[in-house]
Parts: sequence; structure tokens; C-alpha cells
Amino acid sequence: KNEVEQSPQNLTAQEGEFITINCSYSVGISALHWLQQHPGGGIVSLFMLSSGKKKHGRLIATINIQEKHSSLHITASHPRDSAVYICAVSPGTDKLIFGTGTRLQVFP
Amino acid sequence: DTAVSQTPKYLVTQMGNDKSIKCEQNLGHDTMYWYKQDSKKFLKIMFSYNNKELIINETVPNRFSPKSPDKAHLNLHINSLELGDSAVYFCASSQVGEKLFFGSGTQLSVL
Repeated sequence: KNEVEQSPQNLTAQEGEFITINCSYSVGISALHWLQQHPGGGIVSLFMLSSGKKKHGRLIATINIQEKHSSLHITASHPRDSAVYICAVSPGTDKLIFGTGTRLQVFP
Repeated sequence: DTAVSQTPKYLVTQMGNDKSIKCEQNLGHDTMYWYKQDSKKFLKIMFSYNNKELIINETVPNRFSPKSPDKAHLNLHINSLELGDSAVYFCASSQVGEKLFFGSGTQLSVL
């Protein structure tokens, strides 16, 4: 079993829908990252958080350290949000442990 | 200006060859990384360097040798390439405790 589990693996949505992607981890961490990988392959870091909640535009990331769980929310989803979203945790070193990703497709 | 640039973008080569992938960052970050993304799109860290010093070496075959001539560069040299080395390799950099910045990836195909 992977130390970082994401759900769902695949997600299809209609434009405008509210989307939630979940990440659960089984190790102690100093930080959690949410990454976005575009269909073209490039990877962008969306958030790094160690507690609470962060917001950037239509994206919101939350983390519950006690529950070892994080969520990434997308409000008013748009086709350009279609990508693979990857959760990764840092167990206190420079090492990152990655989830297997959630493939999101948003249709107009 | 690209923050983290890696070259080449595509690399097609025969088994047994030696090849290098170059990475440069202009963000002034202290830490640089190499990650491997397999055919199932799963990412895994290979190496981490902090200020030219090797910090992490994650059970990578010793055919893979990273070289950091200065803190802005981290190159990856691969000897005696094997079919299983085919993957996308990403370079990244960060400052301690901050977000990562990724290069655009190098798709390596070993024939």
C-alpha cells in the first residue's frame, strides 16, 4: 500500500461544478504539496501547506494533520482545469513521497 | 526567462549508450532534485542536492550519477542505458520549506 493515497483516481465534471480531490497519508509529515500536471506534461506546484487552509483564485487546499488528510477543492470548474492533480508529502526531509494522481476532466 | 530549464526535451537512444540530461535554475534556490516519472505517471525522487552536496540518493542504480558543478546546475548522467530507464525525468528546485519549481521534463526512450 502506498504511503500516499488519492481519491478518486479519475474524475469527470461539467463546467461550473465544485470539485474535491482527497489525499490521505500514513507517515508523519512536515508539509504537504498539491501539484498539477498538464496534458502537455509540465508540472506546477499549486500549494504547499503544513496546517489549516490556503486559497489561490478558485483553488482551495485544506489539511487536517491529526486525521492525516488533505483536500483540494476547485470552485466553478473550467475545462482548462483538466489535468492530473498530484498530492505529495514531505516526511521532514527534502524527500517527497507522491500519490498516484487524480485525473480530472472538465467538460463544457 | 524559464525558471528551471532542462535539456534535452526528448532523448532517443540505443541500449548500452551513455547520455546526460542538463538542468539549470535561475531562482537562486539552494536545493535541486531529480525525479523519475514512470509509464504509469508515478513520480519518485531520485536525488536531492543542497548547495552542491548530495542529500538524498534513493536506491537508484549507480549507472545514474548526478553532478552539481554549482548550486544553479544539477546534471544527470546515465551509463549503459537499459530499456527500463525509459521514462520522463524531471528536474526541480526549491528553497528549504518552500514550493518546488519543476523543469518541463525530459522524455527518455531507450530502444
